[in-house]
Amino acid sequence: GAGVSQSPSNKVTEKGKDVELRCDPISGHTALYWYRQSLGQGLEFLIYFQGNSAPDKSGLPSDRFSAERTGGSVSTLTIQRTQQEDSAVYLCASSPRQGRDTEAFFGQGTRLTVV
Amino acid sequence: AQTVTQSQPEMSVQEAETVTLSCTYDTSENNYYLFWYKQPPSRQMILVIRQEAYKQQNATENRFSVNFQKAAKSFSLKISDSQLGDTAMYFCAFMKPLNEKLTFGTGTRLTIIP
Repeated sequence: GAGVSQSPSNKVTEKGKDVELRCDPISGHTALYWYRQSLGQGLEFLIYFQGNSAPDKSGLPSDRFSAERTGGSVSTLTIQRTQQEDSAVYLCASSPRQGRDTEAFFGQGTRLTVV
Repeated sequence: AQTVTQSQPEMSVQEAETVTLSCTYDTSENNYYLFWYKQPPSRQMILVIRQEAYKQQNATENRFSVNFQKAAKSFSLKISDSQLGDTAMYFCAFMKPLNEKLTFGTGTRLTIIP
């Protein structure tokens, strides 16, 4: 596909269950970001992957959150033992990061609802 | 740490009028990038315009232009001849090279009134 693809679009889960959110970046993009957007709020940085470098995990809110990026492409954000405050839209973005080409392209997000 | 402030939670304007959205930021860096993103109800974040701090000339993209005041750390977005399709949340964002993490403001909800 031409853009960043995220799945599922919507996810409803019970409190205490684990969830996995998937992001397929644009082919060839070396940088991948995860952000969280709570209702009516701005975007909160979660984690950043760049090539083979160690990821920047400084935004992960707790050890229940983890993410991996396999083969420098697809990324999965995992939330363990979900809590109601985890309810939000989770946005993924990728960027080519070539020289001054700094534009980040976003997916449409996964709306997570914890009940 | 960088911070980005958008002081206008909501704005509305008549179709075809001009509107300016405000953004200020705080950083000790000299070189960085600034962005305006648009988020319509579809949730898709779309880049509207980008400014490199070392460039003195204000960026323009068709009906969208910025007023970049580096000394004042201000980066406002002007939308001319506003259209109904401009209705969306608008986010100002900051990024410094080599850090590469976008820091966003809290957004301005813009409504264009027919």
